Amino acid sequence: GNSVTQMEGPVTLSEEAFLTINCTYTATGYPSLFWYVQYPGEGLQLLLKATKADDKGSNKGFEATYRKETTSFHLEKGSVQVSDSAVYFCALSDPGTGNQFYFGTGTSLTVIP
Amino acid sequence: ETGVTQTPRHLVMGMTNKKSLKCEQHLGHNAMYWYKQSAKKPLELMFVYNFKEQTENNSVPSRFSPECPNSSHLFLHLHTLQPEDSALYLCASSQGILVATDTQYFGPGTRLTVL
Repeated sequence: GNSVTQMEGPVTLSEEAFLTINCTYTATGYPSLFWYVQYPGEGLQLLLKATKADDKGSNKGFEATYRKETTSFHLEKGSVQVSDSAVYFCALSDPGTGNQFYFGTGTSLTVIP
Repeated sequence: ETGVTQTPRHLVMGMTNKKSLKCEQHLGHNAMYWYKQSAKKPLELMFVYNFKEQTENNSVPSRFSPECPNSSHLFLHLHTLQPEDSALYLCASSQGILVATDTQYFGPGTRLTVL
């Protein structure tokens, strides 16, 4: 079946530190991969996505590369800011299962000044 | 501004109450979704509607009853809930369900507490 596994949080970093949040997936078909971010008191917002192997999604300094060989889609940012504090969700959409979305459990990030 | 609104934002209800959650999308999308978000668990897909027709019901108890009168509005009717139903209920929409690359757009959620 389909599933998404994220590293457990919470993650606490100092401002300007390097961020990596690991995400691996299992899918029956050729999924699209997404990172969503949820700020306190808000719904999920799309951060970036990649629709095929070796694609790199990027937005607001965040990047993730679709790695089919390792079934991974790790999120990275070179220098985090306090405003990046949020919960980050990795997700996949698999055409093999009617394009249903599968989300990870979320990783909470806190950036301290 | 996500284009998807939900009301109410917070709801407290007793186990014998009947209440409804409302979702409205202003994006011209054809598909709408209800999710349940509980602490430490992945988002759980509850229902999917495509062009007002329900296409997915992920074994959701009958005390949750969805309604989709048109492609812009989605309701979740609640009746005889249990305390374990307390969670954040998220509505989302997308262009359709036929393309895996479609992005889902989420509302801010309704924080439900069942006493």
